[in-house]
Amino acid sequence: NAGVTQTPKFHILKIGQSMTLQCTQDMNHNYMYWYRQDPGMGLKLIYYSVGAGITDKGEVPNGYNVSRSTTEDFPLRLELAAPSQTSVYFCASTRDPNQPQHFGDGTRLSIL
Amino acid sequence: AQSVTQLDSQVPVFEEAPVELRCNYSSSVSVYLFWYVQYPNQGLQLLLKYLSGSTLVKGINGFEAEFNKSQTSFHLRKPSVHISDTAEYFCAVKRYGGSQGNLIFGKGTKLSVKP
Repeated sequence: NAGVTQTPKFHILKIGQSMTLQCTQDMNHNYMYWYRQDPGMGLKLIYYSVGAGITDKGEVPNGYNVSRSTTEDFPLRLELAAPSQTSVYFCASTRDPNQPQHFGDGTRLSIL
Repeated sequence: AQSVTQLDSQVPVFEEAPVELRCNYSSSVSVYLFWYVQYPNQGLQLLLKYLSGSTLVKGINGFEAEFNKSQTSFHLRKPSVHISDTAEYFCAVKRYGGSQGNLIFGKGTKLSVKP
């Protein structure tokens, strides 16, 4: 099993451009999450989904959107990218909300 | 609401020395507790978890942690570290019984093991 796969691994975006970060998991997990990691700040939850067709905001949702049309995929959309969105983005999933989450390797995004 | 405080942002130690990484949490309800490790340019891997039962939890790579409810702590320990343990360690909590599974992370502790 591949687990949680994120693409791309690295990307440079210009201010004002849009982009979709891809996340897919092959474990048939209903629960999926997007986090951003900034130096010295830990991970902050952006959006999460408890199943196909159901999404909700986390702690830092502004400037982002998500969709969940299938169990496997949970893309994160950045509209009108801003320098403050320069970060490392992690996608995670779990079968049970009380069990540990499985993380992808991250997408390192720079906005210049 | 829950919060997590990792008291040390950086911990330098010599190889084969013992180490303790401290984690305190704040919550008005019962919580589940986790420690994750992040090696450079990688995602997070689960080290260990406390869901219920014995308060001393053993994880991978020789790490263990003890849940102390009265002190609201979940400190991570290893009796003898190796160079390969150099990484960033994150403590996380989740509200017991929550339906979304949202984790609250601490800011991380960078462990640097020197030869």
